[in-house]
Amino acid sequence: DAKTTQPNSMESNEEEPVHLPCNHSTISGTDYIHWYRQLPSQGPEYVIHGLTSNVNNRMASLAIAEDRKSSTLILHRATLRDAAVYYCILRDVVYAGGTSYGKLTFGQGTILTVHP
Amino acid sequence: EAGVVQSPRYKIIEKKQPVAFWCNPISGHNTLYWYRQNLGQGPELLIRYENEEAVDDSQLPKDRFSAERLKGVDSTLKIQPAELGDSAVYLCASSSSRDRGPNAQFFGPGTRLTVL
Repeated sequence: DAKTTQPNSMESNEEEPVHLPCNHSTISGTDYIHWYRQLPSQGPEYVIHGLTSNVNNRMASLAIAEDRKSSTLILHRATLRDAAVYYCILRDVVYAGGTSYGKLTFGQGTILTVHP
Repeated sequence: EAGVVQSPRYKIIEKKQPVAFWCNPISGHNTLYWYRQNLGQGPELLIRYENEEAVDDSQLPKDRFSAERLKGVDSTLKIQPAELGDSAVYLCASSSSRDRGPNAQFFGPGTRLTVL
């Protein structure tokens, strides 16, 4: 399984931007970079994904390094509701049962604390 | 649109007892996943279904765990007999594989199992 490295924890202040880094030096050409977050007592929630180009959606932006060995999730204005564990995941293509599919392998993620 | 529904939300049992978890995926999602999440860790995939077929159960401890997805909609995950080490949150997720993109997985709130 492809691996990612994230800081164990980060802190931010409310209404400030947050940059969550992720290293994935062993990424292959077909691996998509996915970000999920998990709020307390909830299941993970999809945030964003990308392959090579930077991506924006209503929740966040994803900046991908030119060599694809690292990426950064950007929350433009953190709110208290953004406090969560953020997972950076390389979506592997695996073969099972005679078919292939994209498998998400979660690491430990980054615990984001947002201060009022 | 209703999300992934799981029940029960919490379950406390004594070791060696059986336990079952139920999941209702998002309507129209043909792919269903069961994950286990230990405290402080990311979720780990146990089994993946395409419609009613289990296409990846390589991580499912088959001596005591079983799962089924009759009619390709709802799914049940069973443990018999439960052991102390099975205490964890069991998450169900669903996705639609009809489009070819790296589709997101949608998670339910999970069932927190405590084995005494």
